[in-house]
Amino acid sequence: DAKTTQPPSMDCAEGRAANLPCNHSTISGNEYVYWYRQIHSQGPQYIIHGLKNNETNEMASLIITEDRKSSTLILPHATLRDTAVYYCIVLLRGYYNTDKLIFGTGTRLQVFP
Amino acid sequence: GAVVSQHPSRVICKSGTSVKIECRSLDFQATTMFWYRQFPKQSLMLMATSNEGSKATYEQGVEKDKFLINHASLTLSTLTVTSAHPEDSSFYICSARVRQGASDEQFFGPGTRLTVL
Repeated sequence: DAKTTQPPSMDCAEGRAANLPCNHSTISGNEYVYWYRQIHSQGPQYIIHGLKNNETNEMASLIITEDRKSSTLILPHATLRDTAVYYCIVLLRGYYNTDKLIFGTGTRLQVFP
Repeated sequence: GAVVSQHPSRVICKSGTSVKIECRSLDFQATTMFWYRQFPKQSLMLMATSNEGSKATYEQGVEKDKFLINHASLTLSTLTVTSAHPEDSSFYICSARVRQGASDEQFFGPGTRLTVL
């Protein structure tokens, strides 16, 4: 079973920041928070991951609360091409990792003009 | 990121026939490959995990005789849907795990849409 809870849908105006929340209250100390997104009829695309520090890359920023029970993915300037389903997943990480990416229901983000 | 390809991207077949879907890691050797299935408006469901040269591990409820997985090399895994029926129509997605730096990361293929008439 997925270990995360996300709102089923969100809207965002083009050019504005999209803030997607995720609850993972049962996360263990060595589990990472991963975000993927899936644009319609495509395979999932990796966005970002983090353990406890905030992370930023060219696609997004990830803010993880101090108690690590929740996180927020931030798309700073959403475009129409960011319309997709966003999945938050917790996962062990490391060599010979036997953990599996289990997808929950995700958040369907609709960016409108 | 690493590139994973799937072939074919779309296939239509008659009920009762078998369909093979290929998943390749193009520029890396994958330690493990995964197969997912996705029905319309639903999330991805993990079907099985496969390691090169060994039998696949299937998730609960997935019929191993129905969905045959062969992982002959570190860059190729195949999924064969045997005696396909309309209820097998779905979007099949593979992913490959690759060693990057201090850890393993997972990348996804573009998916194969199977329609069984």
